[in-house]
Amino acid sequence: TAGITQAPTSQILAAGRSMTLRCTQDMRHNAMYWYRQDLGLGLRLIHYSNTAGTTGKGEVPDGYSVSRANTDDFPLTLASAVPSQTSVYFCASSSGETDTQYFGPGTRLTVL
Amino acid sequence: GQNIDQPTEMTATEGAIVQINCTYQTSGFNGLFWYQQHAGEAPTFLSYNVLDGLEEKGRFSSFLSRSKGYSYLLLKELQMKDSASYLCAVDDSNYQLIWGAGTKLIIKP
Repeated sequence: TAGITQAPTSQILAAGRSMTLRCTQDMRHNAMYWYRQDLGLGLRLIHYSNTAGTTGKGEVPDGYSVSRANTDDFPLTLASAVPSQTSVYFCASSSGETDTQYFGPGTRLTVL
Repeated sequence: GQNIDQPTEMTATEGAIVQINCTYQTSGFNGLFWYQQHAGEAPTFLSYNVLDGLEEKGRFSSFLSRSKGYSYLLLKELQMKDSASYLCAVDDSNYQLIWGAGTKLIIKP
């Protein structure tokens, strides 16, 4: 079972460019999440989706957008990247909003 | 405001016992999670507490006191592979997890 996959594994991006981080889960989980993890700050929620067709803003949504066209996929888009978006991005899913979250392997993004 | 506190770093000896504390102040409480994260990897689920008391899972146990806003993760018979960061997270009843910054545990032989 693949669980949750993310792509790419890592990326170097020029400031001002756009990029989409991909996330796919095969567990038929209803809820999905995007976090960023920075040293000393812990995981911070960017956006979430409680079910296909709905999305919500987390703690740090500015500069990011998401969509949830179906149950399996939850892409995260940076429309115009800035150096402060350099981080490790984790996608996670859970069967319901209050259930255990399972994480993908992460995408390490560097914006120069 | 919402706040979760954990020690930044702890050191322990292989074969010993270590207790990692977590204190929280959140607007609501639906349960507390502990995750393990090895360097360069994703967090993985360890335990979940929603009622007061101790939950034991092999070498790992987790304790919760809701009245004190306090939890700890107890690791027994430490092994080198237990070197990792341990993350405490609270479900604040708004369907989102509030995460602590994590405790980096260093195991020495």
